[in-house]
Amino acid sequence: GIQVEQSPPDLILQEGANSTLRCNFSDSVNNLQWFHQNPWGQLINLFYIPSGTKQNGRLSATTVATERYSLLYISSSQTTDSGVYFCAVSSGSARQLTFGSGTQLTVLP
Amino acid sequence: GAGVSQTPSNKVTEKGKYVELRCDPISGHTALYWYRQSLGQGPEFLIYFQGTGAADDSGLPNDRFFAVRPEGSVSTLKIQRTERGDSAVYLCASSRTLVGGELFFGEGSRLTVL
Repeated sequence: GIQVEQSPPDLILQEGANSTLRCNFSDSVNNLQWFHQNPWGQLINLFYIPSGTKQNGRLSATTVATERYSLLYISSSQTTDSGVYFCAVSSGSARQLTFGSGTQLTVLP
Repeated sequence: GAGVSQTPSNKVTEKGKYVELRCDPISGHTALYWYRQSLGQGPEFLIYFQGTGAADDSGLPNDRFFAVRPEGSVSTLKIQRTERGDSAVYLCASSRTLVGGELFFGEGSRLTVL
């Protein structure tokens, strides 16, 4: 099956800083989503982005499908951005998402 | 409903007991997925349904796990003879379409097997 690697595994920022999270995948994808898992465990949809660029407030994402990676940008980080960020993809005939191991983000006040 | 609803939110049981976890997907979503998440890891796929039928159950760990969706809406994940290793958060998701559809997750059911 498809392999998904996320980096960095852990990231500590001061409030107000910017950050870039990366997701590499091993095959062409028909679905790519970024999620934020909050401290209560809820997976919150950030972007559905199998290709192209999207922005939503302080967050934006870019997927370069031909080079098999996606980037999530967080600008002017806030303490409420803390949590785990997951990239998940599906490929070929598979319909389920395969998740990466996540990036644990901690934003300090 | 407005979002994916899962019950119970927490379940504590004893080793060897039978457990049922329920998922009510977003209204109009035909695809339904079950995932399991252990501490410190990403969610792992268990099974998904398109309508009433299980389209892919390749992620179920063994025959103690079974899931149904008899009317194409609500789904129940059933675990027989629970083991301590079954302790995890069980997540349900739904999507409007099966191919390339955006998945929306519920808040999960935390299962603890003593």
